[in-house]
Amino acid sequence: KAGVTQTPRYLIKTRGQQVTLSCSPISGHRSVSWYQQTPGQGLQFLFEYFSETQRNKGNFPGRFSGRQFSNSRSEMNVSTLELGDSALYLCASSLDRGDSPYEQYFGPGTRLTVT
Amino acid sequence: AQSVTQLGSHVSVSEGALVLLRCNYSSSVPPYLFWYVQYPNQGLQLLLKYTTGATLVKGINGFEAEFKKSETSFHLTKPSAHMSDAAEYFCAVSGPYGQNFVFGPGTRLSVLP
Repeated sequence: KAGVTQTPRYLIKTRGQQVTLSCSPISGHRSVSWYQQTPGQGLQFLFEYFSETQRNKGNFPGRFSGRQFSNSRSEMNVSTLELGDSALYLCASSLDRGDSPYEQYFGPGTRLTVT
Repeated sequence: AQSVTQLGSHVSVSEGALVLLRCNYSSSVPPYLFWYVQYPNQGLQLLLKYTTGATLVKGINGFEAEFKKSETSFHLTKPSAHMSDAAEYFCAVSGPYGQNFVFGPGTRLSVLP
């Protein structure tokens, strides 16, 4: 079974631009979560989607948004990029939040650099 | 709400020595606890998890962890370190069914020859 895939793997953008990152979960997984990883802040939860609905949201500004499609693939968008948005963005999928135990399977991440 | 602390942002051990990575958690509900490993330029891989039942949990690559409720701890151990264990390790906590999934700050493990 294929793992979680994220595209692109690397991205360089300029301040003020916007960016869209994509995540394809493991087949059959319905929940997708996004995390931002930086050296200073560590792993921070962005949001979680389940059945095309945002089910949980972290403490990030509205410039960060996401969506999930009917095939469970998810995208996250960051508008008006700032230098501080430079980070590794990780996507994780799981079967179903109601399925105990809750295990998240992570993709390799997208490394975003804002210049 | 849940939170996680990991004592020591960087731990160095000699090859063949015991690995001990510390994790303490705070949770207002019975916690689910996880250890993940991250190799350079890769995502996170689940090492082991505790949900209910046996408090000593065995994971992949020879790692194990013990849930101690009285100490609110979930320390990760491995009897003999290998060079390939060099990576960053994250402890995480969630409530039952995955609500409020929170990662600790991570501990970078170096293995010296």
